[in-house]
Amino acid sequence: GQNIDQPTEMTATEGAIVQINCTYQTSGFNGLFWYQQHAGEAPTFLSYNVLDGLEEKGRFSSFLSRSKGYSYLLLKELQMKDSASYLCAVMDSNYQLIWGAGTKLIIKP
Amino acid sequence: ETGVTQTPRHLVMGMTNKKSLKCEQHLGHNAMYWYKQSAKKPLELMFVYNFKEQTENNSVPSRFSPECPNSSHLFLHLHTLQPEDSALYLCASSPGEDTGELFFGEGSRLTVL
Repeated sequence: GQNIDQPTEMTATEGAIVQINCTYQTSGFNGLFWYQQHAGEAPTFLSYNVLDGLEEKGRFSSFLSRSKGYSYLLLKELQMKDSASYLCAVMDSNYQLIWGAGTKLIIKP
Repeated sequence: ETGVTQTPRHLVMGMTNKKSLKCEQHLGHNAMYWYKQSAKKPLELMFVYNFKEQTENNSVPSRFSPECPNSSHLFLHLHTLQPEDSALYLCASSPGEDTGELFFGEGSRLTVL
């Protein structure tokens, strides 16, 4: 079967750095996506990786290793507004998105 | 504001009621989706429409009935639901069916009594 694993919950301190990991086993690979979802709000697209390496977008970066079936989302200079759930999703060979259950990130002052 | 609007935001219904969820996108996208989101579970894809044609029905019970009258509007008709159907129902759109960059609405929180 197809599977996406990510930690259920993480806690970090304002101003610090946090890394949210995602591992996957899917039938084929057509890209990995990260979404942010604040409580009671819509998930919003954060990043897309299809080749190995690091993609940087401001305070957020996403890394991919296809050979290891592994990605991480790196958040720097954490702010209270970064408290949210972060969803990892992989597009398989049929162009279907396979979703993880999400990581709830709690930022403490 | 994501360009995808869902109504109602909250809905409480009995098991014998019939209700509908509505989704409208103002992005000119060709693909629209219904997802079910339950606490601590991955998003569950229910239905996909591409150019108004249903291309995916992910073994969803017949008590959920989708309708896509045009590429901007999507409905989910609900009847004789069960308490375990209580969840957040998310609508999303994308330019095409083969992209993973989806634009989600804020969801309809459904409670079945």
